[in-house]
Amino acid sequence: QQPVQSPQAVILREGEDAVINCSSSKALYSVHWYRQKHGEAPVFLMILLKGGEQKGHEKISASFNEKKQQSSLYLTASQLSYSGTYFCGTAETSGSRLTFGEGTQLTVNP
Amino acid sequence: GAVVSQHPSWVICKSGTSVKIECRSLDFQATTMFWYRQFPKQSLMLMATSNEGSKATYEQGVEKDKFLINHASLTLSTLTVTSAHPEDSSFYICSAARDARPADTQYFGPGTRLTVL
Repeated sequence: QQPVQSPQAVILREGEDAVINCSSSKALYSVHWYRQKHGEAPVFLMILLKGGEQKGHEKISASFNEKKQQSSLYLTASQLSYSGTYFCGTAETSGSRLTFGEGTQLTVNP
Repeated sequence: GAVVSQHPSWVICKSGTSVKIECRSLDFQATTMFWYRQFPKQSLMLMATSNEGSKATYEQGVEKDKFLINHASLTLSTLTVTSAHPEDSSFYICSAARDARPADTQYFGPGTRLTVL
């Protein structure tokens, strides 16, 4: 079942923060986050496994609340290069395929 | 590490012809490769999952005889769109995973834009 992402789109000014949410109606094994720029393939950001993981790299971090079947991606002090569409992919078990959300379009303006 | 390449980057063909797209994992062995299709401003739709040396597993609604997948080695998978028609025009993206478990990290190729005239 396809996860639900919110918001669908967000526009920021450089330096502002943003949160993107990914929710599922089913229990999840893992949540994957990708960023895709127009006309390019998705780029892997991070994977979170059940157990309530939190991860971060530079100014992008994410959390996974397995009780709520929800993951959030946090972008702090956004940069122009953060612009793109962010997809979450979810897996219900280690053996199940990823199902991607509809994506959240993030635009960072100067 | 974890670089995946696709060839060609784009292709324009006439209706009725067949098109082959290659997906290669350049610096790791990919036990599993995935083929996705993406329409403009839409999400990634999984078409099929392929494991080296075995038949691909197709998602519901994907025609096996139209979208032929061959996973000949741990570094190469090919997708052949047979008798392509304009409705097959799309962005085709492959991904590769080191492990056999689909839920493990997938690394995506740069995609192939197919236009069928």
